[in-house]
Parts: sequence; C-alpha cells; structure tokens
Amino acid sequence: EAGVAQSPRYKIIEKRQSVAFWCNPISGHATLYWYQQILGQGPKLLIQFQNNGVVDDSQLPKDRFSAERLKGVDSTLKIQPAKLEDSAVYLCASSLEGAGGQFFGPGTRLTVL
Amino acid sequence: DAKTTQPTSMDCAEGRAANLPCNHSTISGNEYVYWYRQIHSQGPQYIIHGLKNNETNEMASLIITEDRKSSTLILPHATLRDTAVYYCIVRLTTDSWGKLQFGAGTQVVVTP
Repeated sequence: EAGVAQSPRYKIIEKRQSVAFWCNPISGHATLYWYQQILGQGPKLLIQFQNNGVVDDSQLPKDRFSAERLKGVDSTLKIQPAKLEDSAVYLCASSLEGAGGQFFGPGTRLTVL
Repeated sequence: DAKTTQPTSMDCAEGRAANLPCNHSTISGNEYVYWYRQIHSQGPQYIIHGLKNNETNEMASLIITEDRKSSTLILPHATLRDTAVYYCIVRLTTDSWGKLQFGAGTQVVVTP
C-alpha cells in the first residue's frame, strides 16, 4: 500500500515570497491533516479536512496560510507571503475515521531566508 | 485534552527491552493513549494505541495502569533503528476527527 506522498521535499525561498506544498493521502482515507514542525518541537496541527470540508483550522495563521482539498483527495497548503518564522517542516497525514492512527508523509522542509 | 509528561531522553542497549514511561494523570474516561515515534528527518510513525487494556502489536506493547494515570511503551528487543523521538499523546474519543496534540517527546538512543 502506498503511503502519504508529499512534494517538494525541500524548498528555499526568500521572505515575502509565496510557496505551495502538495499532499496525496493514502487511498480511501477521508481525513487529511497538515502539521507544522519547528526544529526541536513536536508537530503542531494547522488544519484538518474531512473529505473536502474543513473540520479544524483554529491554529492556521489565516492572514498568510491557506489550504484546500479539492474533490476530497489531494491537498495543497500555501503560504503568502512567507516570514522567517515559517521555516519548518510541513507534514501531511491521513487517516480513516475512528480511533485508528494517522499516517504521515515524509514532510517538506521549508527554509525562509 | 489531557497533557502528558515524558522524560526528555533515555538510553537503551541494543537487544534489551526499552521501557518508555508516560504520565497522564488528568486523563478522562473517554481518552485514548497513543504512541508515535519520529526517526530523524522522517514523518512521525504510528506505533500503538489503547484505552484501558494492555495492547500488543508487531512493533511494541502498551501497558496502561489500572487507574489510567500512566502508561509504558515497551520495545521488546531494541535495535539501532529504534533510535527516535517517541511521543505519548492522549486523544478524546469523542473527537471523531482524530486531532492529536504532540508534546516534546522522549529522545531514545539505542547504543550497540
């Protein structure tokens, strides 16, 4: 079974530029999550989708971050404009409904200069 | 959600059992205990979860105390590839959408 796919794996941009990350979840997983992981910290949930609807975006900085999940499958996370403090690894995860585990992709490491 | 307390770091000898403790003294009756690990430069990996009974799978065993205020993750025969940050997380079962809140975790180093 294929895992969660993410691209790109690495991205370097200058502050005030924009950037987008892509995620393809495990087939059949209705729930999709985007996390931000700053160096030395645990992942922090940014947004959670159930199919193509947003369930929780309480920690998403909506003035600069946006995310969508068209057709309830793939998802993109965008940052515009980026700030230095956005340097982090952005992780995508997916899960079935219920008490089961979430399955994470390899992440995208973003460096903002 | 209840908070968890884990040691910052632990060392373990290769081939020995690794016992990772976690305190969750404010856990409520409808919260599960989950364990994930994160190997360097990879995404977190689900290990195991439980409510009140002990659980075992191909990766590990989860022992939850009778009062549910603490738990222990057991890696029965640690290998060098088990070196990772291990996260203990409690999650509301009434939260059907699966939200997880990660802390800082325990850095486990398995040595030869």
